[in-house]
Amino acid sequence: EAGVAQSPRYKIIEKRQSVAFWCNPISGHATLYWYQQILGQGPKLLIQFQNNGVVDDSQLPKDRFSAERLKGVDSTLKIQPAKLEDSAVYLCASSPIRTTNYGYTFGSGTRLTVV
Amino acid sequence: GIQVEQSPPDLILQEGANSTLRCNFSDSVNNLQWFHQNPWGQLINLFYIPSGTKQNGRLSATTVATERYSLLYISSSQTTDSGVYFCGYTGRRALTFGSGTRLQVQP
Repeated sequence: EAGVAQSPRYKIIEKRQSVAFWCNPISGHATLYWYQQILGQGPKLLIQFQNNGVVDDSQLPKDRFSAERLKGVDSTLKIQPAKLEDSAVYLCASSPIRTTNYGYTFGSGTRLTVV
Repeated sequence: GIQVEQSPPDLILQEGANSTLRCNFSDSVNNLQWFHQNPWGQLINLFYIPSGTKQNGRLSATTVATERYSLLYISSSQTTDSGVYFCGYTGRRALTFGSGTRLQVQP
């Protein structure tokens, strides 16, 4: 089966600019996650969707970050305006609806550099 | 929240050596898992191990839930084992990761 697809692979922007990342999960996976991984740290959950509804966005900096999952399939994560501290790898993952405790599959990530 | 401590933070091995990575939790956790992130950033699940012991080739993992720790054993290490190893758990929130152990296997 195809894996979790993410694009772009790399992105360099100036601070205060906006940027968007795209994720297409594994077909049939109802749950989709966005994680932020800062260099040298473990991934941190930003937002979790189940179908097209938000389950957990408690760690999403909502003043500048937004995410949507229209039609319950692919998803976009946006940052506007970006800050230097947003430099990180943004990972998308998906899991089957009945096994949200395990069965996570991660994409290759988007490496964002804010200069 | 629950504190996750991984040790050692960094490890350098010669090819063929064995190693043990540890994950300690400040409280009981559910659904303990181990992941490997290769040097290109791909994160792969190694084990789902809420308790007991599992083995997969040269890798094995043990979780002692009552004592709040889990161990990952790597035997006869290979250069392809290099990368970062994370433990993680799920609870009220989706998968939460530790800070990782960075492993470098030298030929």
